[in-house]
Amino acid sequence: RKEVEQDPGPFNVPEGATVAFNCTYSNSASQSFFWYRQDCRKEPKLLMSVYSSGNEDGRFTAQLNRASQYISLLIRDSKLSDSATYLCVVILYSGGGADGLTFGKGTHLIIQP
Amino acid sequence: NAGVTQTPKFQVLKTGQSMTLQCAQDMNHNSMYWYRQDPGMGLRLIYYSASEGTTDKGEVPNGYNVSRLNKREFSLRLESAAPSQTSVYFCASSELQEKLFFGSGTQLSVL
Repeated sequence: RKEVEQDPGPFNVPEGATVAFNCTYSNSASQSFFWYRQDCRKEPKLLMSVYSSGNEDGRFTAQLNRASQYISLLIRDSKLSDSATYLCVVILYSGGGADGLTFGKGTHLIIQP
Repeated sequence: NAGVTQTPKFQVLKTGQSMTLQCAQDMNHNSMYWYRQDPGMGLRLIYYSASEGTTDKGEVPNGYNVSRLNKREFSLRLESAAPSQTSVYFCASSELQEKLFFGSGTQLSVL
């Protein structure tokens, strides 16, 4: 059974600090990985893709470690507006349609002034 | 630029009542989805439609039916609501499976 796990947190981090959290997946055949952001009482929105070579977008860096089967998200110089829940998504293209897409339960991040 | 539009935003039902959640997207996407989100459970797929005229069950389909009315619209129906269906419901669409666009959600309470 596919399984994607995240530390639910909350991670309480002072403004300006660097924070990182991981998402582990159990199926080694998983092929695509993403981070979504969800603000309180809002819909999830795609934050960034995770490539084997890593992916950086401003203060955000996403990495994939296939050997250990996890993806990571690092946020540098954290802002109050980064407070949100971060969901990882793992996709296994098995021809089974949307069943191959699995969301983690999310990591709750709180940036404190 | 509406994206994915869900209605209603809030709904309170009594046990046994029925209702339909509406979803429409204007991005010409082939795939549409219905998820529910509960505290501590994350997003769970209820039903999925890869294209107009096709629907498939997801992880938690019991108690729900769906209709892919056309390429734009994908509705979710609760025939006889139960308290266990109290949740936040999200509709989503995508062209490629990777990038899902979500509606703003429906908060449903079943008393």
